[in-house]
Amino acid sequence: GQQVMQIPQYQHVQEGEDFTTYCNSSTTLSNIQWYKQRPGGHPVFLIQLVKSGEVKKQKRLTFQFGEAKKNSSLHITATQTTDVGTYFCAGNFGNEKLTFGTGTRLTIIP
Amino acid sequence: SQTIHQWPATLVQPVGSPLSLECTVEGTSNPNLYWYRQAAGRGLQLLFYSVGIGQISSEVPQNLSASRPQDRQFILSSKKLLLSDSGFYLCAWVSGRGTDTQYFGPGTRLTVL
Repeated sequence: GQQVMQIPQYQHVQEGEDFTTYCNSSTTLSNIQWYKQRPGGHPVFLIQLVKSGEVKKQKRLTFQFGEAKKNSSLHITATQTTDVGTYFCAGNFGNEKLTFGTGTRLTIIP
Repeated sequence: SQTIHQWPATLVQPVGSPLSLECTVEGTSNPNLYWYRQAAGRGLQLLFYSVGIGQISSEVPQNLSASRPQDRQFILSSKKLLLSDSGFYLCAWVSGRGTDTQYFGPGTRLTVL
């Protein structure tokens, strides 16, 4: 079946350190989206990547889509306490639904 | 602007009781609608989605069902709840094409005792 694997499951970092989460699909994706879920909240859309090799930045966040459109990454530079939460990638295989990764829970050590 | 509502926000139900969760969207027409379940500390499991009134696609066989009686209303139901039905239920909508951004409602936290 169509699955999206995401690693790591958990990441604990000191405030100011960088953080990266990775997603991989066994088949080519039409696009990949990233969401953030704060503790106790609901997922909120961050960004969508569509083109092969695409790189997008949002302040300290950098999103990449692989050349083969099978993998993606989210990198946060110099983490802050406001970055706490679970980051999900969600792949679209060209149909009406998204397949979410298992998420990476980020905790920040002040 | 578009908004999505879910209720109730929290719910505690005994095993074997029925369930009805409602999701409504405002400010958009003919959205795709989705029901997800999230177990504590886990990822999002797609349960059902709908591309139009009366059209329901089921992703996971279980004792839950979904209905879309109106364009902007999506209902999740069960005749008899199981302990394993506990979780955080999220409704989401997409405007237009299903490949676009999903906007999530605030969710319903269901505890089955």
